[in-house]
Amino acid sequence: NFMLTQPHSVSESPGKTVTISCTRSSGSIASNYVQWYQQRPGSAPTTVIYEDNQRPSGVPDRFSGSIDSSSNSASLTISGLKTEDEADYYCQSYDSSNVVFGGGTKLTVL
Amino acid sequence: EVQLVQSGAEVKKPGESLKISCKGSGYSFTSYWIGWVRQMPGKGLEWMGIIYPGDSDTRYSPSFQGQVTISADKSISTAYLQWSSLKASDTAMYYCARLGFGSPYGMDVWGQGTTVTVSS
Repeated sequence: NFMLTQPHSVSESPGKTVTISCTRSSGSIASNYVQWYQQRPGSAPTTVIYEDNQRPSGVPDRFSGSIDSSSNSASLTISGLKTEDEADYYCQSYDSSNVVFGGGTKLTVL
Repeated sequence: EVQLVQSGAEVKKPGESLKISCKGSGYSFTSYWIGWVRQMPGKGLEWMGIIYPGDSDTRYSPSFQGQVTISADKSISTAYLQWSSLKASDTAMYYCARLGFGSPYGMDVWGQGTTVTVSS
């Protein structure tokens, strides 16, 4: 089994750009798609990125996803931060035997 | 509008059985996998398993195999998650979600969640 490791928390000011990393412990990050989910307090998760870098309809282009094989990690970048972006963010990927979520990153927009 | 509507909050005692539901609407229920995700209080998301309502093909996370049963009734567009004997450690929020993207395991629509509290 593999793990996805995310920073516990990040913070940034409104209008700035923040990047959240998601590092895969074993197996190639490029071999299986990565999804990113946003969960605001008291709400169900919603998808902000699927298939590494695709945005569902309705998700602003301030959200972008990428993968870096050299660090075996995926990243979620949010530009032009708004207070409404304050939430927990989870990455997710899979292998032949399981689906794994990262531990989540709490984004504070202060 | 594509929607997944889950059943209401449950309060149960240890040892009791429980079945919670997730009803799909606005799309062909039999054509998409449905997944279940657990979120324990103050914790992150955990993948439990998936079912394809078209033929009831079911796959479980190794962590949940044998602990829960996932099923579906395609005639009423509803998926289920059930326990035969609840434990206090089953206290959590449970979400269903549609695997609606072309890629494996990407969840495009989520239910609102069902809170399960197990306490004596």
